[in-house]
This record gives sequence, C-alpha cells and structure tokens, in this order.
Amino acid sequence: EAGVVQSPRYKIIEKKQPVAFWCNPISGHNTLYWYRQNLGQGPELLIRYENEEAVDDSQLPKDRFSAERLKGVDSTLKIQPAELGDSAVYLCASSHAGGFVSQYFGPGTRLTVL
Amino acid sequence: QQPVQSPQAVILREGEDAVINCSSSKALYSVHWYRQKHGEAPVFLMILLKGGEQKGHDKISASFNEKKQQSSLYLTASQLSYSGTYFCGTEGDYKLSFGAGTTVTVRA
Repeated sequence: EAGVVQSPRYKIIEKKQPVAFWCNPISGHNTLYWYRQNLGQGPELLIRYENEEAVDDSQLPKDRFSAERLKGVDSTLKIQPAELGDSAVYLCASSHAGGFVSQYFGPGTRLTVL
Repeated sequence: QQPVQSPQAVILREGEDAVINCSSSKALYSVHWYRQKHGEAPVFLMILLKGGEQKGHDKISASFNEKKQQSSLYLTASQLSYSGTYFCGTEGDYKLSFGAGTTVTVRA
C-alpha cells in the first residue's frame, strides 16, 4: 500500500514569493491534515479536512495561507506571500476515519525562505 | 495548548529502560504516541483512550491516567532501532496537540 505522497520534498524561495505544496493521501483515507513542524518542535496542526470540507482551520494564518482539497482526495497548501518565519517542514497526514485516530504522515516538504 | 514532555532528551545503552512522560493542563480524550527519526516522517506507535488503559507495541508500552491528565511511554530493554524523537499528542476539545518531543539515543 502506497503511503502519503508529498511534493516537492525541498523548496527554497525568496521572501514575498508564493509557494505551494501538494499532498496525496493514502487511498481510502477521508481525513487529511496539514501540519507545520518547526525545528526542535512537534507538529502543529494547520488544517484538517473531512473529505472536501475543512472542519478545523482555526490555526491556519488565513491572511497568507490557503488550502484546498478538491474532490476529497489530494490537497494543496499555499503560502502567498512567504515570510522568513514560514521556514519549516510542512507535513501532510491522513487517516481512514473522521476524528482522531492513527495518522499516517508523509515525508514532508522542507521550506526555506531566504 | 501543547502538552509538556519530559525529559527533553535521554541517552541509553542497549538493553536499558527509559520512561517518557507527557502531561496536559486540559482534560484529555486520548493520547497518541509517535516516533520520528531524523529527516523522516513521524510514525504512529499507539493511541490510548480515556479509561486508564495500558497498551504495548513490542517492548514499548504506554499508560494513560486521565485523572492526572498524564501519559507515560515505557521503553523496555531498548534496542538501537528505538533511537529517535518521541512525540505525544493529546486530544481534547476536538484538537490534537503535540508536545515538543523527547529525543532518545540508544548506544551499543
């Protein structure tokens, strides 16, 4: 069974530039999460989807971050414009049921903003 | 509000035991444990639901005391493969919050 796929794995951009991350969850998993992990810290939830619906986006900085999950499968997280403080690893995870059950993480995208 | 993990780091020799603690100031529905190796994705270990259950995975086990809002992860007879950063994730108010992690280094 294929795991959670994310791309790109690494991204280096100048501040004020836009950037997008893509995630394809495990087949059949209805719930998708985007996390941000700063160096030396645990993952911090940005947004959680149940199928196409964003059921928790309370910690998503909506002035510059946006996300979508069209058709309830893969998802894109965008930052526009990026700031220096956005440098982090962005992790996507999925689970087979709503609510909090075991989550399966992708390898992440390491973003560096210069 | 994220849970507090202790210790921040621990160094073990193969075969030694260790305990990692996780505590929260909020009422908890469940506690999740994950392990992350350097440069890799976090990997699920186990979930404990309120009710004080104790679960195990090979020689890694955990307990959950909902009254004290605490969980502990037990590494027994540690192996080199146990090295990594362990995160607890606490669920309350329909949100999952991760601690800062405990880095475990197992040496031969």
